[in-house]
Amino acid sequence: EVVMTQSPGTLSVSPGERATLSCRASQSVSSNLAWYQQKPGQAPRLLIYGASTRATGIPARFSGSGSGTEFTLTISSLQSEDFAVYYCQQYNNWPYTFGQGTKLEIK
Amino acid sequence: EVKLVESGGAVVQPGGSLRLSCIASGFTFNDYSMHWVRQTPGKGLEWVSLISWDGGSTYYADSVKGRFTISRDNSKNSLYLQMSSLRTEDTALYYCAKAYSYSTNWFDPWGQGTLVTVSS
Repeated sequence: EVVMTQSPGTLSVSPGERATLSCRASQSVSSNLAWYQQKPGQAPRLLIYGASTRATGIPARFSGSGSGTEFTLTISSLQSEDFAVYYCQQYNNWPYTFGQGTKLEIK
Repeated sequence: EVKLVESGGAVVQPGGSLRLSCIASGFTFNDYSMHWVRQTPGKGLEWVSLISWDGGSTYYADSVKGRFTISRDNSKNSLYLQMSSLRTEDTALYYCAKAYSYSTNWFDPWGQGTLVTVSS
């Protein structure tokens, strides 16, 4: 099983600033990586797939990069609605696996 | 609007059985693979099972293989998860999720979840 490790566990950033979240895979997953956002009491929402393609309706301030084992989700200018938990998921290898999440909190 | 609504979650004793349902609307259900994903505070998000658009192919996480059965009824726009021999570690919020596009293996959208608690 591919183990996905996200860092940091919690990230404190001020509104308007840039946030950079990391996700590392225990073996190469090519570009078969997705990012999700989850707010309290809600289901996860797809942000990015194919490591860098924004899902329909996702604002341009969200961007993804990386391939192989190292991936990054960047939020260029944080809005109040962006404070949430973010998960990465690999779908290159069976079974599909998720990272443990990064909580993005207001500084 | 694409919508997924799960139901069937309950409190059940270890060794018991439960059937979860997910009713889909707002898209052509029989065009898409569907998944079940569960979430716990301790283990986070765990993919559970996948069924192809026609129900002809099914896949399971090792943790549930042989105990859970995924199925679908395209005439009713419905997805199911039959859970048996339940264990305390199956306690979780269970989401159904649509393949983003046809048979892709990332998920969008997700339902709101249904809570399964396995406890004596």
